[in-house]
Amino acid sequence: QLQLHESGPGLVKPSETLSLSCTISGGSISTTTYSWDWIRQPPGKGLEWIGTLYYNGSTDHNRSLKSRVTISIGTSKTQFSLNLGSVTAADTAVYYCVRRVRRGGCLDPWGQGTRVTVSS
Amino acid sequence: DIVMTQSPLSLPVTPGEPASISCRSSQSLLHSNGSSYLDWYLQKPGQSPQLLIYLGSNRASGVPDRFTGSGSGTDFTLKISRVEAEDVGVFYCMQALQTSITFGQGTRLEIK
Repeated sequence: QLQLHESGPGLVKPSETLSLSCTISGGSISTTTYSWDWIRQPPGKGLEWIGTLYYNGSTDHNRSLKSRVTISIGTSKTQFSLNLGSVTAADTAVYYCVRRVRRGGCLDPWGQGTRVTVSS
Repeated sequence: DIVMTQSPLSLPVTPGEPASISCRSSQSLLHSNGSSYLDWYLQKPGQSPQLLIYLGSNRASGVPDRFTGSGSGTDFTLKISRVEAEDVGVFYCMQALQTSITFGQGTRLEIK
């Protein structure tokens, strides 16, 4: 059964870069059936899509985040990462990595989430 | 981006009673393949969201049959035939028609 696990620092200073990794157990990025997404949830708020990574390394991201987002395949096909630059307090959130079905687009499964706070 | 609007935002329900959540999209979610690209998720307290319904009306694996998704075009509904205590949490609809997926604001179900 596929599982996803996020990891990274829980505290990031304003203007710095938030860097997270997602480790895939029981699968890999290689399959064309799925893409691999980052979703975030600010405290007490709803869900916001950050971006998606395809098997070939290409990506799409939320235009509201402009050019601050970089999503990439990790050192192995069982890991991918999120870099979010020039962070502010508004980027404080729980960050989830998720597998996305390319045909139909549903998100399943989700990682357990990792809480990131932006503060000096 | 497609805007998703849910109602109600808060839903107090007595156990054993039915419940219904509405989700409307700012444009049709009908794909050229005939499927509606609308999903439902439940985020239980302290947990990650979990997939309940995909493509408008298909239950995800392990989802009880008391959950039913319906609708087409821009209007969708999630119905719970008999609410149980374990259904407490926030329900989200999500459109997957566009690569840039978007979510509704969430509907918080609580037990009376």
